[in-house]
Amino acid sequence: EPEVTQTPSHQVTQMGQEVILRCVPISNHLYFYWYRQILGQKVEFLVSFYNNEISEKSEIFDDQFSVERPDGSNFTLKIRSTKLEDSAMYFCASSERTGQETQYFGPGTRLLVL
Amino acid sequence: AQSVSQHNHHVILSEAASLELGCNYSYGGTVNLFWYVQYPGQHLQLLLKYFSGDPLVKGIKGFEAEFIKSKFSFNLRKPSVQWSDTAEYFCAVKVYNQGGKLIFGQGTELSVKP
Repeated sequence: EPEVTQTPSHQVTQMGQEVILRCVPISNHLYFYWYRQILGQKVEFLVSFYNNEISEKSEIFDDQFSVERPDGSNFTLKIRSTKLEDSAMYFCASSERTGQETQYFGPGTRLLVL
Repeated sequence: AQSVSQHNHHVILSEAASLELGCNYSYGGTVNLFWYVQYPGQHLQLLLKYFSGDPLVKGIKGFEAEFIKSKFSFNLRKPSVQWSDTAEYFCAVKVYNQGGKLIFGQGTELSVKP
């Protein structure tokens, strides 16, 4: 069964550094999402992406964050100048369409900012 | 703003006990409803979903959920849990025709004692 994959599974970085989290969505899916879960808190929506542009973003998704689909398979989340509070599990998800479609989640990248 | 609330943070049951996990949401319009499960060390997986029609939906592994519109609830049930059901369970809501953003509850950790 096709799966969403994410790399790396764990990332440790120093405050102020840039990180890129990578995701490979399911191949025929057109909608892509990033969510994050800070330890002990809810899973929160960050951004959705369709047709090479952001379709929706949350208040969390400020200028520090950016997303890109650099090729036909990868979907990346870049965090510039990381802060301690960016430490979280980041989940990528994809769906075939929006609307009444299930989002399939990847295993997550655990980011620790020191 | 829309929100999702799961009443139980941690539930401990013995095998063969019945399970009901509560989920309430705050939004007066049409919603799509989901339950996801995260087994230890694994990614979020869809258990079941409700879009329309019969408010009693059946999912994988013997789980079911009932959408009660008047109560803004979508409780998850299983008549007899197994040790392998030990996991974290997340209720999520998507507002119909407002993009793909999922709004998650805080999750309920289920521990099943053998």
